[in-house]
Amino acid sequence: QSVLTQPPSVSAAPGQKVTISCSGSSSNIGNNYISWYQQLPGTAPKLLIYDNDERPSGIPDRFSGSKSGTSATLGIAGLQTGDEADYYCGTWDISLSAYVFGTGTKVTVL
Amino acid sequence: EVLLLESGGGLVPPGGSLRLSCAASGFTFINYAMTWVRQAPGKGLEWVSAISGSGGSTYYTDSVKGRFTISRDNSKSTLYLQMNSLRPEDTAAYFCAKGLRGRSGYGYGLDVWGEGTTVIGSS
Repeated sequence: QSVLTQPPSVSAAPGQKVTISCSGSSSNIGNNYISWYQQLPGTAPKLLIYDNDERPSGIPDRFSGSKSGTSATLGIAGLQTGDEADYYCGTWDISLSAYVFGTGTKVTVL
Repeated sequence: EVLLLESGGGLVPPGGSLRLSCAASGFTFINYAMTWVRQAPGKGLEWVSAISGSGGSTYYTDSVKGRFTISRDNSKSTLYLQMNSLRPEDTAAYFCAKGLRGRSGYGYGLDVWGEGTTVIGSS
């Protein structure tokens, strides 16, 4: 059972924006950097955001991240059909001495 | 190009053993912590284990403690996961992943992933 909670699904029309929340606690999000991962169907996860709000090279600026207290948010602007995927947050939990992933959110483009 | 290639998956009866390997290339292997992540069919990502660059520090999720052992051979740029006393609930795709920064950088994110190898714990 994950210690990071995400909504099971979000959806929007092409061109619109969606946000995905990730809720944790002071032992994980509250005291560590958050990362976000995109997993397209049938493929390995890919790092989308690191250090709360940084994008690796090659990730378009349509993807954004933020953190406040014990929660984090991933934003996807200008939604495209190619963005249909599962998205996971992740961070280190100092109480568990373990990396923890969120429950995952499926993004659907209507 | 930075690459990770897992191997060693297969069908194993409950109680059996398996060793997964992850061959790394394109970066200085010893300089980065490495991680195993698994994903059961139709389920989310589950972190399994991590190891420091030197191999001196290891971490495990509770459900595999005492059964799985993570290790690395820096001379071969290869990460391993020895899986013993396998259970049906260990059935999953197993991914190896590179830590974003540092030999002890467990929490900074996982920036390179392999394609995964599948383990099926069933008779």
